[in-house]
Amino acid sequence: EPEVTQTPSHQVTQMGQEVILRCVPISNHLYFYWYRQILGQKVEFLVSFYNNEISEKSEIFDDQFSVERPDGSNFTLKIRSTKLEDSAMYFCASSEIIVGRPLHFGNGTRLTVT
Amino acid sequence: AQSVTQPDIHITVSEGASLELRCNYSYGATPYLFWYVQSPGQGLQLLLKYFSGDTLVQGIKGFEAEFKRSQSSFNLRKPSVHWSDAAEYFCAVGPMDSSYKLIFGSGTRLLVRP
Repeated sequence: EPEVTQTPSHQVTQMGQEVILRCVPISNHLYFYWYRQILGQKVEFLVSFYNNEISEKSEIFDDQFSVERPDGSNFTLKIRSTKLEDSAMYFCASSEIIVGRPLHFGNGTRLTVT
Repeated sequence: AQSVTQPDIHITVSEGASLELRCNYSYGATPYLFWYVQSPGQGLQLLLKYFSGDTLVQGIKGFEAEFKRSQSSFNLRKPSVHWSDAAEYFCAVGPMDSSYKLIFGSGTRLLVRP
């Protein structure tokens, strides 16, 4: 079964540094998403992306965050200047265009900001 | 406000015993309903979903869930738990469109006694 793949599985960075989290969605999917889970807290929606633009974003997704689909296969989340509170597990997800199809999640990238 | 409540933070059952994980939601419109499972170090795997139709839905790994509109509940059940079912289980609700801005519950950690 096709999978959403995320790299790296774990990233450690210093506060103030830029990080890019990478995702390869399922190949025939057209909707892409980022969610995050701070340790011990709920999984939270960050952003959805379709047709090369953001379709919806949460209040968490401020100017420090950006997403991009730089080529036909990758989907990235960039955090411009990381803060300690950005430490979390970041999940990429994708879905088919047909409404009602399920959301497929990757295994996540654990980001640790020191 | 839209929310998902999973009242049990931890549940411990003996292997072979039955299981029910509770989920209640508050949502302005008819939502899509999901159960996801997260094993340690893994991503979110979809167990089952409810979009419409039969209110008793079957999922993978022998799980089922029943949608009760009158109770705003979507409880997950399994008749006989296996040791490999030990994981964290998340209930989620989302809008009936492709934004997939899912709202997750805080999760229930299932422990299985041999």
